[in-house]
Amino acid sequence: QSVLTQPPSASGTPGQRVTISCSGSSSNIGSNTVNWYHQLPGTAPKLLIYSNYQRPSGVPDRFSGSKSGTSASLAISGLQSEDEADYYCAAWDDSLSYVFGTGTKVTVL
Amino acid sequence: EVQLVESGGGVARPGGSLRLSCAASGFTFDNHGMSWVRQAPGKGLEWVSGINWNGGSTGYADSVKGRFTSSRDNAKNSLYLQMNSLRAEDTALYHCVRQTDNYYYYGMDVWGQGTTVTVSS
Repeated sequence: QSVLTQPPSASGTPGQRVTISCSGSSSNIGSNTVNWYHQLPGTAPKLLIYSNYQRPSGVPDRFSGSKSGTSASLAISGLQSEDEADYYCAAWDDSLSYVFGTGTKVTVL
Repeated sequence: EVQLVESGGGVARPGGSLRLSCAASGFTFDNHGMSWVRQAPGKGLEWVSGINWNGGSTGYADSVKGRFTSSRDNAKNSLYLQMNSLRAEDTALYHCVRQTDNYYYYGMDVWGQGTTVTVSS
């Protein structure tokens, strides 16, 4: 059962900036770092952002992450058609479990 | 090439057992914590279990605690998930994942394609 809440959907036209929110609590986002994953249709998830804002090598700088208190957000600038995917936030929870967000489907109009 | 390849999925009866395996290659396996993450059809991601670099520490989601057991064999670069007392709600695609560092609370930077588990009578 997801304990991190995300909007079910987000959309934008090519070139626009889209932001996805992730709301948690003091036991997860409030005290641990946030990671973001995206999942293209029919494929395995891929790490997009780790430790709140760090990008693994190969991830374009169009993707950026931030965290404040018990919430985090992912921004996609210069939206492209290949960004159409499901996006998940995640964090370690002090109840000794790794928790994922509910997921956000991004549509490029 | 860094790679994780899962095997062992299949169809099991409620109350039955399955053992999943994950073969790792292309990296120093015992430098990393590992986890199993599942995705039920049409649903989101759920962390199932994690294990630290030497197998000395494991963690489980409440939904599988007491039924599933994670283990690893660093000499064989392999991760395992023993699944007992299976339930219909365990039906999902199970991914083997690598954490970015030696414990299972770190981010997951390498994912296998998954192996499908179906629990049905």
